[in-house]
Amino acid sequence: GESVGLHLPTLSVQEGDNSIINCAYSNSASDYFIWYKQESGKGPQFIIDIRSNMDKRQGQRVTVLLNKTVKHLSLQIAATQPGDSAVYFCAEIRYGGSQGNLIFGKGTKLSVKP
Amino acid sequence: GAGVSQTPSNKVTEKGKYVELRCDPISGHTALYWYRQSLGQGPEFLIYFQGTGAADDSGLPNDRFFAVRPEGSVSTLKIQRTERGDSAVYLCASSPNGQSNQPQHFGDGTRLSIL
Repeated sequence: GESVGLHLPTLSVQEGDNSIINCAYSNSASDYFIWYKQESGKGPQFIIDIRSNMDKRQGQRVTVLLNKTVKHLSLQIAATQPGDSAVYFCAEIRYGGSQGNLIFGKGTKLSVKP
Repeated sequence: GAGVSQTPSNKVTEKGKYVELRCDPISGHTALYWYRQSLGQGPEFLIYFQGTGAADDSGLPNDRFFAVRPEGSVSTLKIQRTERGDSAVYLCASSPNGQSNQPQHFGDGTRLSIL
Protein backbone atom coordinates (compact mmCIF):
# COMPACT_ATOMS: atom_id res chain seq x y z
CA GLY A 1 0.00 0.00 0.00
CA GLU A 2 1.01 3.64 -0.14
CA SER A 3 2.54 4.04 3.28
CA VAL A 4 5.83 4.57 5.01
CA GLY A 5 6.87 1.60 7.06
CA LEU A 6 9.83 0.26 8.98
CA HIS A 7 11.55 -3.07 8.64
CA LEU A 8 12.21 -3.73 12.33
CA PRO A 9 9.97 -2.74 15.22
CA THR A 10 12.75 -3.03 17.81
CA LEU A 11 16.53 -2.68 17.75
CA SER A 12 18.92 -3.32 20.61
CA VAL A 13 22.54 -2.16 20.42
CA GLN A 14 25.51 -1.91 22.73
CA GLU A 15 26.61 1.53 23.84
CA GLY A 16 29.31 2.80 21.53
CA ASP A 17 28.22 0.69 18.56
CA ASN A 18 26.71 2.17 15.43
CA SER A 19 22.95 1.84 14.88
CA ILE A 20 21.12 1.55 11.59
CA ILE A 21 17.37 2.08 11.45
CA ASN A 22 15.60 1.31 8.22
CA CYS A 23 12.50 2.60 6.52
CA ALA A 24 10.73 1.56 3.33
CA TYR A 25 8.36 3.72 1.37
CA SER A 26 6.12 2.69 -1.47
CA ASN A 27 5.34 5.92 -3.30
CA SER A 28 8.02 6.93 -5.78
CA ALA A 29 6.53 10.45 -5.84
CA SER A 30 7.73 11.07 -2.30
CA ASP A 31 9.79 14.23 -2.29
CA TYR A 32 10.97 14.94 1.21
CA PHE A 33 11.80 12.69 4.14
CA ILE A 34 12.34 13.41 7.81
CA TRP A 35 13.61 11.32 10.70
CA TYR A 36 12.11 12.03 14.12
CA LYS A 37 13.11 10.76 17.57
CA GLN A 38 10.39 10.35 20.15
CA GLU A 39 11.11 9.77 23.82
CA SER A 40 8.45 8.53 26.19
CA GLY A 41 5.92 11.24 27.02
CA LYS A 42 7.45 13.68 24.54
CA GLY A 43 6.59 14.87 21.06
CA PRO A 44 8.60 13.82 18.00
CA GLN A 45 11.93 15.64 17.83
CA PHE A 46 13.41 16.54 14.44
CA ILE A 47 16.71 14.79 13.75
CA ILE A 48 17.54 15.18 10.09
CA ASP A 49 15.83 15.54 6.72
CA ILE A 50 16.64 14.79 3.10
CA ARG A 51 15.17 15.80 -0.25
CA SER A 52 14.58 13.30 -3.01
CA ASN A 53 17.29 14.90 -5.15
CA MET A 54 19.92 13.80 -2.61
CA ASP A 55 21.14 10.34 -1.61
CA LYS A 56 23.02 11.17 1.57
CA ARG A 57 23.00 13.82 4.23
CA GLN A 58 25.06 14.04 7.40
CA GLY A 59 24.42 15.68 10.71
CA GLN A 60 26.03 15.44 14.08
CA ARG A 61 26.55 11.68 14.68
CA VAL A 62 23.69 10.92 12.27
CA THR A 63 23.59 10.14 8.57
CA VAL A 64 20.53 9.61 6.43
CA LEU A 65 20.79 7.56 3.25
CA LEU A 66 18.16 7.55 0.55
CA ASN A 67 18.00 4.86 -2.12
CA LYS A 68 15.29 5.85 -4.56
CA THR A 69 15.82 2.76 -6.71
CA VAL A 70 14.52 0.46 -3.99
CA LYS A 71 12.57 3.16 -2.13
CA HIS A 72 14.56 2.74 1.04
CA LEU A 73 15.62 5.21 3.70
CA SER A 74 18.00 4.59 6.60
CA LEU A 75 19.21 6.47 9.63
CA GLN A 76 22.69 5.72 10.89
CA ILE A 77 23.66 6.78 14.39
CA ALA A 78 27.37 6.69 15.18
CA ALA A 79 28.67 5.74 18.62
CA THR A 80 25.20 5.13 20.01
CA GLN A 81 24.66 6.47 23.51
CA PRO A 82 22.07 5.65 26.19
CA GLY A 83 20.42 8.99 25.46
CA ASP A 84 19.67 7.76 21.96
CA SER A 85 17.18 5.24 23.36
CA ALA A 86 13.80 6.22 21.92
CA VAL A 87 11.35 5.40 19.15
CA TYR A 88 12.48 6.58 15.73
CA PHE A 89 10.02 7.45 12.99
CA CYS A 90 10.58 8.21 9.38
CA ALA A 91 8.03 10.48 7.73
CA GLU A 92 7.46 11.58 4.16
CA ILE A 93 5.79 14.32 2.25
CA ARG A 94 4.71 13.39 -1.23
CA TYR A 95 5.33 15.74 -4.11
CA GLY A 96 2.10 17.42 -5.02
CA GLY A 97 0.45 16.36 -1.82
CA SER A 98 -0.67 18.53 1.01
CA GLN A 99 2.15 20.46 2.53
CA GLY A 100 0.67 19.55 5.88
CA ASN A 101 0.37 15.87 5.38
CA LEU A 102 3.40 14.23 6.91
CA ILE A 103 2.95 10.47 6.64
CA PHE A 104 4.61 8.55 9.44
CA GLY A 105 5.61 4.95 9.71
CA LYS A 106 4.97 2.89 12.83
CA GLY A 107 8.40 3.48 14.34
CA THR A 108 11.43 1.51 15.53
CA LYS A 109 12.22 1.32 19.21
CA LEU A 110 15.96 1.66 19.80
CA SER A 111 17.33 0.33 23.09
CA VAL A 112 20.93 1.03 24.02
CA LYS A 113 22.59 -1.36 26.45
CA PRO A 114 25.28 0.17 28.70
CA GLY B 1 8.48 30.40 24.12
CA ALA B 2 11.18 28.64 22.20
CA GLY B 3 9.13 25.64 21.16
CA VAL B 4 5.59 24.52 20.47
CA SER B 5 3.53 24.59 23.65
CA GLN B 6 0.43 22.47 24.21
CA THR B 7 -2.04 22.66 27.05
CA PRO B 8 -3.23 20.83 28.98
CA SER B 9 -0.60 18.10 29.03
CA ASN B 10 -3.21 15.63 30.22
CA LYS B 11 -6.99 15.67 30.01
CA VAL B 12 -9.34 13.09 31.46
CA THR B 13 -13.04 13.41 30.78
CA GLU B 14 -16.18 11.35 30.50
CA LYS B 15 -17.68 10.03 27.32
CA GLY B 16 -20.01 12.55 25.74
CA LYS B 17 -18.25 15.62 27.07
CA TYR B 18 -16.75 18.46 25.04
CA VAL B 19 -13.01 19.15 25.12
CA GLU B 20 -10.70 21.87 23.85
CA LEU B 21 -6.99 21.39 23.30
CA ARG B 22 -4.72 24.37 22.85
CA CYS B 23 -1.56 24.84 20.81
CA ASP B 24 0.89 27.74 20.87
CA PRO B 25 3.19 27.42 17.84
CA ILE B 26 6.74 28.67 17.56
CA SER B 27 6.66 32.46 17.31
CA GLY B 28 6.50 33.62 13.70
CA HIS B 29 5.52 30.24 12.24
CA THR B 30 2.60 30.65 9.88
CA ALA B 31 1.94 26.94 9.37
CA LEU B 32 0.35 24.88 12.13
CA TYR B 33 -0.57 21.20 12.11
CA TRP B 34 -2.56 18.85 14.31
CA TYR B 35 -1.87 15.12 14.51
CA ARG B 36 -3.25 12.28 16.59
CA GLN B 37 -1.09 9.46 17.90
CA SER B 38 -2.46 6.20 19.24
CA LEU B 39 -0.38 3.95 21.44
CA GLY B 40 2.36 2.20 19.49
CA GLN B 41 1.60 4.05 16.27
CA GLY B 42 3.04 6.95 14.37
CA PRO B 43 1.24 10.30 14.37
CA GLU B 44 -1.68 10.64 11.94
CA PHE B 45 -2.46 13.92 10.26
CA LEU B 46 -5.65 15.74 11.20
CA ILE B 47 -5.57 19.33 9.91
CA TYR B 48 -3.18 21.98 8.62
CA PHE B 49 -3.49 25.75 8.95
CA GLN B 50 -1.74 28.33 6.85
CA GLY B 51 -2.30 31.55 8.74
CA THR B 52 -5.89 31.72 9.92
CA GLY B 53 -7.35 29.36 7.36
CA ALA B 54 -7.50 25.59 7.28
CA ALA B 55 -5.55 24.65 4.16
CA ASP B 56 -6.23 20.94 4.55
CA ASP B 57 -8.68 19.32 6.96
CA SER B 58 -8.82 15.96 5.20
CA GLY B 59 -7.55 14.09 8.25
CA LEU B 60 -10.36 15.07 10.61
CA PRO B 61 -12.18 11.78 11.29
CA ASN B 62 -15.72 13.17 11.48
CA ASP B 63 -17.73 16.30 12.18
CA ARG B 64 -17.24 16.00 15.94
CA PHE B 65 -13.74 17.35 15.38
CA PHE B 66 -13.13 21.00 14.60
CA ALA B 67 -10.15 23.34 14.86
CA VAL B 68 -9.71 27.09 14.72
CA ARG B 69 -6.85 29.54 14.52
CA PRO B 70 -8.60 32.93 14.58
CA GLU B 71 -5.55 35.18 14.75
CA GLY B 72 -3.06 33.04 12.90
CA SER B 73 -1.13 32.05 16.00
CA VAL B 74 -2.75 29.98 18.77
CA SER B 75 -4.95 27.13 17.63
CA THR B 76 -7.64 25.19 19.45
CA LEU B 77 -8.73 21.67 18.55
CA LYS B 78 -12.30 21.04 19.66
CA ILE B 79 -13.93 17.64 20.07
CA GLN B 80 -17.65 17.34 20.68
CA ARG B 81 -19.51 14.38 22.17
CA THR B 82 -16.27 12.59 22.95
CA GLU B 83 -16.06 8.83 22.52
CA ARG B 84 -13.69 6.32 24.10
CA GLY B 85 -12.06 5.85 20.71
CA ASP B 86 -10.95 9.49 20.79
CA SER B 87 -8.43 8.62 23.51
CA ALA B 88 -4.98 9.35 22.14
CA VAL B 89 -2.15 11.86 22.29
CA TYR B 90 -2.97 14.95 20.25
CA LEU B 91 0.14 16.56 18.84
CA CYS B 92 0.59 20.01 17.41
CA ALA B 93 3.43 21.07 15.13
CA SER B 94 4.47 24.24 13.36
CA SER B 95 6.79 25.23 10.54
CA PRO B 96 7.96 28.64 9.29
CA ASN B 97 5.70 29.00 6.26
CA GLY B 98 4.44 25.54 5.36
CA GLN B 99 6.76 24.83 2.45
CA SER B 100 7.12 21.12 1.88
CA ASN B 101 10.89 21.14 2.43
CA GLN B 102 10.66 22.48 5.96
CA PRO B 103 10.61 20.16 8.98
CA GLN B 104 7.67 20.40 11.30
CA HIS B 105 8.50 20.98 14.96
CA PHE B 106 6.26 19.25 17.48
CA GLY B 107 5.01 20.00 20.95
CA ASP B 108 4.83 17.32 23.63
CA GLY B 109 1.14 16.76 23.04
CA THR B 110 -2.02 16.50 25.09
CA ARG B 111 -2.81 13.03 26.36
CA LEU B 112 -6.59 12.72 26.15
CA SER B 113 -8.35 9.94 28.04
CA ILE B 114 -12.08 9.39 27.61
CA LEU B 115 -13.61 7.30 30.37
